[in-house]
Amino acid sequence: GAGVSQSPRYKVAKRGQDVALRCDPISGHVSLFWYQQALGQGPEFLTYFQNEAQLDKSGLPSDRFFAERPEGSVSTLKIQRTQQEDSAVYLCASSLGTGGADWGYTFGSGTRLTVV
Amino acid sequence: QQQVKQSPQSLIVQKGGISIINCAYENTAFDYFPWYQQFPGKGPALLIAIRPDVSEKKEGRFTISFNKSAKQFSLHIMDSQPGDSATYFCAASVGRRALTFGSGTRLQVQP
Repeated sequence: GAGVSQSPRYKVAKRGQDVALRCDPISGHVSLFWYQQALGQGPEFLTYFQNEAQLDKSGLPSDRFFAERPEGSVSTLKIQRTQQEDSAVYLCASSLGTGGADWGYTFGSGTRLTVV
Repeated sequence: QQQVKQSPQSLIVQKGGISIINCAYENTAFDYFPWYQQFPGKGPALLIAIRPDVSEKKEGRFTISFNKSAKQFSLHIMDSQPGDSATYFCAASVGRRALTFGSGTRLQVQP
């Protein structure tokens, strides 16, 4: 597609509920990143995939957070037993390469998760 | 640990003026310094980026100034326009992978 697509755009979950957030990266993009953006703050790194391999998951805040990219394209971020502090915008970004002089991400518009 | 500190938190500039946003970093391993622009309800969009072997980079009305010894870099927006009103984030990374973002600057350009 023309850009990074995320769904749903908005999600309201009751505390304790499991949620799954989807990211469709730009076709052919090798790298995929998930970020969490709290209200009024900068995005914070969660995890990074190169193709289907999860190379860095150091930013995942707890073992309730899990991400996968089984075929190296679409990725899903799953949050189990949601808590109020999980309320944030979850951003996905993809990149054509794994490095290089003009490296840069393309971000999706995010999924706004509200835990009530 | 906040590795990238950004200031000011908010900025009001008159149309045609210069907007200046500053960032300071701690991790000397950072080797890539982008600036992102974010409009409400949208994801951040890459504006301009610089590597530490360059002291300045200009693209149109946007200029990054980089001071490696001081571990500081700044974004200058010349001839600021109302359409530039947005939140701006500096960021830094090691090896061009995970980005560490600043806390953001909300810019308002008054007509």
